[in-house]
Amino acid sequence: LAKTTQPISMDSYEGQEVNITCSHNNIATNDYITWYQQFPSQGPRFIIQGYKTKVTNEVASLFIPADRKSSTLSLPRVSLSDTAVYYCLVGDGSFKTIFGAGTRLFVKA
Amino acid sequence: SAVISQKPSRDICQRGTSLTIQCQVDSQVTMMFWYRQQPGQSLTLIATANQGSEATYESGFVIDKFPISRPNLTFSTLTVSNMSPEDSSIYLCSVPHGGAYNEQFFGPGTRLTVL
Repeated sequence: LAKTTQPISMDSYEGQEVNITCSHNNIATNDYITWYQQFPSQGPRFIIQGYKTKVTNEVASLFIPADRKSSTLSLPRVSLSDTAVYYCLVGDGSFKTIFGAGTRLFVKA
Repeated sequence: SAVISQKPSRDICQRGTSLTIQCQVDSQVTMMFWYRQQPGQSLTLIATANQGSEATYESGFVIDKFPISRPNLTFSTLTVSNMSPEDSSIYLCSVPHGGAYNEQFFGPGTRLTVL
């Protein structure tokens, strides 16, 4: 299972776009890239998943370059309620997921 | 989506005792997972519980310490045995979602404090 590296923390202001980059140099051909969000006192929540190029849903966008050794989660116009820990995971669907340390995003007014 | 509930939501226990955590899902699922999240840390997979077979434990976790039951397709229990303060953590169960790879639904967690 590929290991992931993310910034430990990030600060932002309301209304800004936030980009969180995850490094996964040893990603395998069959691996997908998945991002979760976790609020305090709650279990993680699936945000988005991709294999290559760009994926967009109602919550976020995920950018994956051609070499797939990194990925960037983009949160448009964040609000205070986006303050959470964001986890990047890489796996092949076997569900033996390894959660990295995550990125603590703090959104300020 | 799946709705997952856990009981208890939190508990404070004395060292040397055991606590059984329940996980209930609103739909039938073959696989269920148990995670531990130590204070301020990320999640660590404890074991995978498949109905009809023994649970599969990850490195560092043993059945004697964390026995798991999986009596049917909607329910599982995790017992934390002979607890010590190092077992103070949030314990979460999850189930896979059929849509995306590695997509799981998580329960709200059980916050355990061992004195």
